[in-house]
Amino acid sequence: DTAVSQTPKYLVTQMGNDKSIKCEQNLGHDTMYWYKQDSKKFLKIMFSYNNKELIINETVPNRFSPKSPDKAHLNLHINSLELGDSAVYFCASSQRIGGRGVQETQYFGPGTRLLVL
Amino acid sequence: RKEVEQDPGPFNVPEGATVAFNCTYSNSASQSFFWYRQDCRKEPKLLMSVYSSGNEDGRFTAQLNRASQYISLLIRDSKLSDSATYLCVVDSWGKLQFGAGTQVVVTP
Repeated sequence: DTAVSQTPKYLVTQMGNDKSIKCEQNLGHDTMYWYKQDSKKFLKIMFSYNNKELIINETVPNRFSPKSPDKAHLNLHINSLELGDSAVYFCASSQRIGGRGVQETQYFGPGTRLLVL
Repeated sequence: RKEVEQDPGPFNVPEGATVAFNCTYSNSASQSFFWYRQDCRKEPKLLMSVYSSGNEDGRFTAQLNRASQYISLLIRDSKLSDSATYLCVVDSWGKLQFGAGTQVVVTP
């Protein structure tokens, strides 16, 4: 049983296209996240949703739009893809949102490898 | 200055040996600390949380030094399967900040 799943696993596309990545978790968690891992291997948070409500919105171009239809799903839509968007995008979930100073274990999906040509 | 800094390695370790490495963090208000493990082309997975008093999980020992703002991970009796990148993760103002990882390669 996959706890956090993402589709697609690989995405190769042309600059300027619009694409979506889907994420689903079957852990019953309230909070979901999108992270970007670039070529230097840094994992950076992009967005966090708690029970379908946007909680964290980092300095991410507004070409990136997350959507959470329910608390088990968090999708990421990217408009007008650019070369610099090439990275691995990880979805994650945790039982509850971490408040300041208190963090819950996060469970990651397998990642979506995006290559923009 | 990066919020979380790690020596990228690689640390080449003979099987059965002990390896230890640190990570420094910049936010003195951080309260939660973790080590995650990431295998090549895989997702990060929690290895262990790090508690103030230090904690052990089998062959893995984690320590926290708040005064100097670093955490450490020690792996005893290294196995080939311990080869991975170890990510230091620190809470900073309600968000997890990840280090770029320390690569460990255990050799036969």
